[in-house]
Amino acid sequence: DAGVIQSPRHEVTEMGQEVTLRCKLISGHNSLFWYRQTMMRGLELLIYFNNNVPIDDSGMPEDRFSAKMPNASFSTLKIQPSEPRDSAVYFCASTGGYNEQFFGPGTRLTVL
Amino acid sequence: SQQGEEDPQALSIQEGENATMNCSYKTSINNLQWYRQNSGRGLVHLILIRSNEREKHSGRLRVTLDTSKKSSSLLITASRAADTASYFCATDPGGYQKVTFGTGTKLQVIP
Repeated sequence: DAGVIQSPRHEVTEMGQEVTLRCKLISGHNSLFWYRQTMMRGLELLIYFNNNVPIDDSGMPEDRFSAKMPNASFSTLKIQPSEPRDSAVYFCASTGGYNEQFFGPGTRLTVL
Repeated sequence: SQQGEEDPQALSIQEGENATMNCSYKTSINNLQWYRQNSGRGLVHLILIRSNEREKHSGRLRVTLDTSKKSSSLLITASRAADTASYFCATDPGGYQKVTFGTGTKLQVIP
């Protein structure tokens, strides 16, 4: 198994542009988590899904952020419009019913 | 504030020494987990300890949990340069409540 796959690995964009981050879960896993990591705020949970249903989106900063799970193995996190303060490393992680979370390699987002 | 607060924030030791990191939390938990993050990488799960357990071992790792003090410690024995990383505790309240990660301890092991 290739593990959790994220794309792109790096994204540089200009303020106001739409950004879409992608995540492929490990086969058989049914929970998906999106995190954001910065030096200032550490690791923050943005949203998590269980069986494709959003369970807790209280960490989503504002309406500019949205996340979807169109099927059991794939998720997107969209930022529209992007702002410089959105610059961070975004991780997704998945679990398969046990407590251990498997993290992807992250997407480093820079908004100029 | 963060549910889990690690202490110290940074730790620098010589190879072969033991490293101890502490985690304090505020609310009741179902389990507590420790993760490692190498620079530029995602987090990797190290060990999980349940609320009814007091100590757990995995290789050179030893984790303790004191629910009365709401604290946990991670001990890495005979440290190696490859142990250089950030270490995070994560508290799991159970059910559908979210797991919350602490602020992390940055460990540097000097060869």
